[in-house]
Amino acid sequence: DAGITQSPRHKVTETGTPVTLRCHQTENHRYMYWYRQDPGHGLRLIHYSYGVKDTDKGEVSDGYSVSRSKTEDFLLTLESATSSQTSVYFCAISPGNNYGYTFGSGTRLTVV
Amino acid sequence: KNEVEQSPQNLTAQEGEFITINCSYSVGISALHWLQQHPGGGIVSLFMLSSGKKKHGRLIATINIQEKHSSLHITASHPRDSAVYICAVIHGGSQGNLIFGKGTKLSVKP
Repeated sequence: DAGITQSPRHKVTETGTPVTLRCHQTENHRYMYWYRQDPGHGLRLIHYSYGVKDTDKGEVSDGYSVSRSKTEDFLLTLESATSSQTSVYFCAISPGNNYGYTFGSGTRLTVV
Repeated sequence: KNEVEQSPQNLTAQEGEFITINCSYSVGISALHWLQQHPGGGIVSLFMLSSGKKKHGRLIATINIQEKHSSLHITASHPRDSAVYICAVIHGGSQGNLIFGKGTKLSVKP
């Protein structure tokens, strides 16, 4: 059991369509994060969650929404995908400050 | 200016060489992480530091809080060490949100 899984691993979608990425954990960690990784940039925080139904925006949250209705699942939704949202998306989990992080395997999203 | 700067951006070494990757940051932090990203894309946590030095196998990480600087050393490098090494800091009081450097791409030639 990997402890954290992302789905799908790859997705191609058309501009203007909604897309939802899922992050699932079996570690019962409090914190969950969504990052995007683009060439020339470090990983950048999109949204994070510090508990069920407790979420907050990160550095690059425009065009994205999230939901966490239960501890184990953190969903990232692109309401209307744009080509600028073509990226690799990583989910991460952590029990809290000054503890380690575990990253998912990533989702490669292409918006055409 | 980026809050976390890494150097070098790219590094090519011969097998067996001693490697150093540097990370400087400009914000107050509660901890610093070194991460490894292999060509397949997965990200693995190597170290978390808040002071001093840690060692795991051939990897050594150090941090100087006063100078806001950390180094990752690899002794007796091997082609399987080829990866992108990423420095990330937890900005003090930030609910654990990481601020990442852009990474150092290491290639170790046999």
